[in-house]
Amino acid sequence: GAVVSQHPSRVICKSGTSVKIECRSLDFQATTMFWYRQFPKKSLMLMATSNEGSKATYEQGVEKDKFLINHASLTLSTLTVTSAHPEDSSFYICSARGLAGVDGEQFFGPGTRLTVL
Amino acid sequence: QKEVEQNSGPLSVPEGAIASLNCTYSDRGSQSFFWYRQYSGKSPELIMSIYSNGDKEDGRFTAQLNKASQYVSLLIRDSQPSDSATYLCAVNHAGGTSYGKLTFGQGTILTVHP
Repeated sequence: GAVVSQHPSRVICKSGTSVKIECRSLDFQATTMFWYRQFPKKSLMLMATSNEGSKATYEQGVEKDKFLINHASLTLSTLTVTSAHPEDSSFYICSARGLAGVDGEQFFGPGTRLTVL
Repeated sequence: QKEVEQNSGPLSVPEGAIASLNCTYSDRGSQSFFWYRQYSGKSPELIMSIYSNGDKEDGRFTAQLNKASQYVSLLIRDSQPSDSATYLCAVNHAGGTSYGKLTFGQGTILTVHP
């Protein structure tokens, strides 16, 4: 149980284009989903928290107009990187927290590696 | 001051030995603590969670929590080369605007050599 998928796993795009990343909880309903980014040899940096049916809460320093998050259902959240630039190249990982289960426990998707040329 | 601190390592142990990973945290009200394993190029995988003071064992893994000292550790017995990875300590915030969020340490790189 507690499986989270992400799509795509890897994407290469040109500077200026937008990229959408999907995060799905496959066998549980996720009341909250989190989006992280990770640079090489660094720890995870939380970008935003999204709750189903409400606006995402962004961490300080994260541009909400650049990183659009939609949590349309209890099993799907999307992150859209708008007008991507090379500095947006990173490993983006989502996680999900269910209705049941341990307080605070998050299950991670496999991640999406974004390369902006 | 970092909220969650880990020794970045690398920690190198021989196969079959006990690997000991340590983590301290600053938010005294934190209630939930997690250890994640992350292989290079992959996303984190939850391996242990602990909420009460004391030890919690799961197979070769034992998590230890001491809330008074704000300290959590992970012991890996009979270490195997496949345990070589980065181990992330994560702490669940107790309340306020950070409730439900996890704060991660910088991770400890573990290498188990044959």
